[in-house]
Parts: sequence; C-alpha cells; structure tokens
Amino acid sequence: GQNIDQPTEMTATEGAIVQINCTYQTSGFNGLFWYQQHAGEAPTFLSYNVLDGLEEKGRFSSFLSRSKGYSYLLLKELQMKDSASYLCAAMDSNYQLIWGAGTKLIIKP
Amino acid sequence: DVKVTQSSRYLVKRTGEKVFLECVQDMDHENMFWYRQDPGLGLRLIYFSYDVKMKEKGDIPEGYSVSREKKERFSLILESASTNQTSMYLCASSPGTGGSGGRLEQFFGPGTRLTVL
Repeated sequence: GQNIDQPTEMTATEGAIVQINCTYQTSGFNGLFWYQQHAGEAPTFLSYNVLDGLEEKGRFSSFLSRSKGYSYLLLKELQMKDSASYLCAAMDSNYQLIWGAGTKLIIKP
Repeated sequence: DVKVTQSSRYLVKRTGEKVFLECVQDMDHENMFWYRQDPGLGLRLIYFSYDVKMKEKGDIPEGYSVSREKKERFSLILESASTNQTSMYLCASSPGTGGSGGRLEQFFGPGTRLTVL
C-alpha cells in the first residue's frame, strides 16, 4: 500500500534549526512535496524534490533520498511565524498526491 | 499569482440537507481537486477532474458527487449531508501533469469548514 510517515509534533526554540523527517512508500514516484499550513488556513507550497539531494530556498531546505524513501525539511533561524503544520506529500505514478498527516511545529521563545 | 476561491469559509447545515461547495480558480488550470481534512489524518482526496465534464473518484467518494461544467469551476455536492461529513473541505488546482513540463504543485483555496448538525 501507499503510506507517508512523519512525526505528529515537534518543538523548537526561536533562532534554532529544526529538521522534520518524512518517509514514504508509493506505487511509482514523481516527486516529494512539502507544504506549510497555519492553523485555520490553506496549505501553501514550500518545496518540490524529484532528484536526490538538497534544495535550498532561503531559510528552508528540503532533502530527498529516493533509494531510502526519505525526505526532510530543514528550517533555519526559526521565527515565531514558522509555528505551523508541515505536510509531506509524495506523488505516485498516476500523479496523485499521497499526504502525510502533518507535523505540528511549535516554536518557543 | 494563482487564486483559488471557495464560496464559503464556514457553513452549518442540517442532516439530510443537500449541500453545494463551490470552487473557482483563475489561472486556467486543467486539474482540480476536492479534499477533506480531519484532525490527525492527512488530506484525503474525494474527487478530482482533469478536464471539463470529466471526473474521477478519489479515495473517499462515498456520499459526494462533483460537477465541472466550466474549466475554472469545480463543485462538490453532498446529496444528503450526514454528521460524519463535518470537516474542513479544501479545493485545489494544478496546471498539469508530468511530461508536459508544467509545474506539478497544487494551489489551495482557503477551505470551507462545514458543520452538519
């Protein structure tokens, strides 16, 4: 079956670095997405990886290992506004997204 | 910027009522999706559409139907609302699938929080 696993909740300190992990199993693979979702709002796109390696975009970076079925989202210089849920989603061979339940990130001052 | 709008942010309906949720996107996207989101669960796909008048069942289509008469509009219909359909409903659109060279990410509307009493 198809499955996405990510931690339910993480806590970090303002100014620090946090890594949110995601493992996936899909029928075929057409890339891995990360979305950010603030409470009560719609998910917004953060990153897309289809090749192995690290993609950096400002304070946020995303890593993919296709052979391990593994990705992580790295957030640097954490700010209070980064408190949100982070959703991992893998695209299968039919270009359908398989979603994880999301990781709620709590930032403490 | 892509804009996806949904007809209501909050909706309260009674059991047995017919409910219409409307979604409109303004970027000429081919693909449109309806999801529901419940606490502790990932987004679950209800229906999607790759073209006008075309629809495909997602993972949880039971109790729902959809309509796509125009490219920009995708409607979700609850024929007879039940309490277990109380949820956040999210509409999304995307420009195309792989191989077209198009971007694959989905753009979401603000969501409709539906409560069925």
